[in-house]
Amino acid sequence: SYVLTQPPSVSVAPGQTARITCGGNNIGSKSVHWYQQKPGQAPVLVVYDDSDRPSGIPERFSGSNSGNTATLTISRVEAGDEADYYCQVWDSSSDQVVFGGGTKLTVL
Amino acid sequence: EVQLVQSGAEVKKPGESLKISCKGSGYSFTSYWIGWVRQMPGKGLEWMGIIYPGDSDTRYSPSFQGQVTISADKSISTAYLQWSSLKASDTAMYYCARRTGSHPDIWGQGTMVTVSS
Repeated sequence: SYVLTQPPSVSVAPGQTARITCGGNNIGSKSVHWYQQKPGQAPVLVVYDDSDRPSGIPERFSGSNSGNTATLTISRVEAGDEADYYCQVWDSSSDQVVFGGGTKLTVL
Repeated sequence: EVQLVQSGAEVKKPGESLKISCKGSGYSFTSYWIGWVRQMPGKGLEWMGIIYPGDSDTRYSPSFQGQVTISADKSISTAYLQWSSLKASDTAMYYCARRTGSHPDIWGQGTMVTVSS
């Protein structure tokens, strides 16, 4: 089955840029989606189809995808961005949704 | 407003059965797949399976095949996740989510299931 690899944690100071990676075999050929999950809350979609944002998601959130790595970029990080972030793809070979292991973003 | 509303928290004993629900509103319930996601305490998201309420076509993740049953009643816009015999290891938060294209876009608020003797 398809495997997505994320770093367990990323730390960034307020106002700086956070980059969270998601690795997978030829992931650039797939559509990648990103979710934010704050403690005690359900996940929220923040980027879909590699780089599109749902309505209501700040422009500070952006995504890219090429080769074997997809990246979620959060510009001008705020304290309220502290959360777990998960990448996700659809594995057509198994007809299943696949999630990465998640990355905890800490705002210093 | 498009939303999924899940049933409340459950506390059960090992060996008991359980069925939790997920009611959709604000959209055509029969036109979108509904999936279930497990999140064990302090852990990540795990995809369990999915159902298309329009015709009840159901697909399970290999890890959950035979462990749970996913069903839906389109007449009341509700999807279900059920266990016939719970184990302590089933203790987790369970989310339902509507799938759009290749991703879940709308999530329920979650149902906490605790299995303890």
